[in-house]
Parts: sequence; structure tokens; C-alpha cells
Amino acid sequence: EAGVAQSPRYKIIEKRQSVAFWCNPISGHATLYWYQQILGQGPKLLIQFQNNGVVDDSQLPKDRFSAERLKGVDSTLKIQPAKLEDSAVYLCASSSLSGRETQYFGPGTRLLVL
Amino acid sequence: QQQVKQSPQSLIVQKGGISIINCAYENTAFDYFPWYQQFPGKGPALLIAIRPDVSEKKEGRFTISFNKSAKQFSLHIMDSQPGDSATYFCAARGGKLIFGQGTELSVKP
Repeated sequence: EAGVAQSPRYKIIEKRQSVAFWCNPISGHATLYWYQQILGQGPKLLIQFQNNGVVDDSQLPKDRFSAERLKGVDSTLKIQPAKLEDSAVYLCASSSLSGRETQYFGPGTRLLVL
Repeated sequence: QQQVKQSPQSLIVQKGGISIINCAYENTAFDYFPWYQQFPGKGPALLIAIRPDVSEKKEGRFTISFNKSAKQFSLHIMDSQPGDSATYFCAARGGKLIFGQGTELSVKP
């Protein structure tokens, strides 16, 4: 069974530029999560999707971050414009059914904002 | 109240020794307490998990001890091996997963 796929693996941008990350969850997983992991900290949930719908986006900085999950499969997370403090690893995870099961994480995208 | 506090921040253990990582929480509504292991350049992977109606869970060399009254839980790694060197995160679920700050474990040969 293929794991959660993410791309790109690394991205370096200037502040105020925009960037997008892509995630392909494990096949059949209805629930998809985006986390932000700042160096030296644990992952923090940004947004949770159940199929196409948003379950929780309470910690998503909506003035600059957006996410979508078209057709209930792949998802993209966008930052526009980026700030220095957005430098982090962005992790995508997925779980089956209701989201109360084990979350499987992808390798993450490491973002550096200069 | 949504925080999970993890200690120590880093830990060095000799091969064959016992590694112990502690976590504390405040929210009594948390209903699931997993531990994740993360290697450099990889995403976190579930190691072991416990529910609050159980005081201990063991899987191989890994044991979770859970103290509901003290609102604390800990991970014990018996016979620690160099391959166990990684960052360990405790977490608690109250709707969403709340992660601790992480413990960087180094097992010396």
C-alpha cells in the first residue's frame, strides 16, 4: 500500500511570494489533514478535510493560507503572501473513515522563506 | 487547557538502557493518547497508543504508562537501541490531535 505522497519536498522562496504544496493521501482515506511543524516543535493542525468538506480550520491563518480538496482525493495548501515565520515543514496526513483512526503522515515539504 | 507538555526536550541513553519520556495534559475530555516516532526527513509514524480506561499498554520494547488522576502519561523504551534514536512526540485527542513539543532521543552504542 502506497503511503501519503507530498511534493515538492523542499521549497525556498522570498517573503511576499506565493507557494503551493500538493498532497495525495492513501487510497480510500476519507480524512485528510495539513499540519505545520516549526523546527523544535510538534505538528500543529492547520486544516482537516472529511471528503470534500472542511471539518476544522480554526488554526488556519485565513488571511494568507488557503487549502482545497477537490473530488475528495488530492489536496493543495497555498500560502500567499509568505512571511518569514511561515518557514516550517508542512505535513500532510490521512486517515480512513471518520478521522478517529490512526493518522498516516507523508514525508512533508520543508519551506524556507527568506 | 489544550496543551500537552512533554519532557525532557532531549535525552541521551546508553545502548541497552531504559528511555523514559513524560507528558502531562489538562483537558479531561482527551480520549486517546498516541506516541509518534519521527526520523529526520520523515513524517511522524504511530508507535503505540492508549485510551484513558487502561493504565498500561505494552508492545514489544515499548510501554505506555497512564495515570488518569495525575493527568500524566509516559513512554518507556526498554533495551534501547541505536536504531531508536529519533524524535518522539506524545499527543492527545480532543477532536483533533494536540502534540507535545517532542523529545530528541539519542541512544549511544
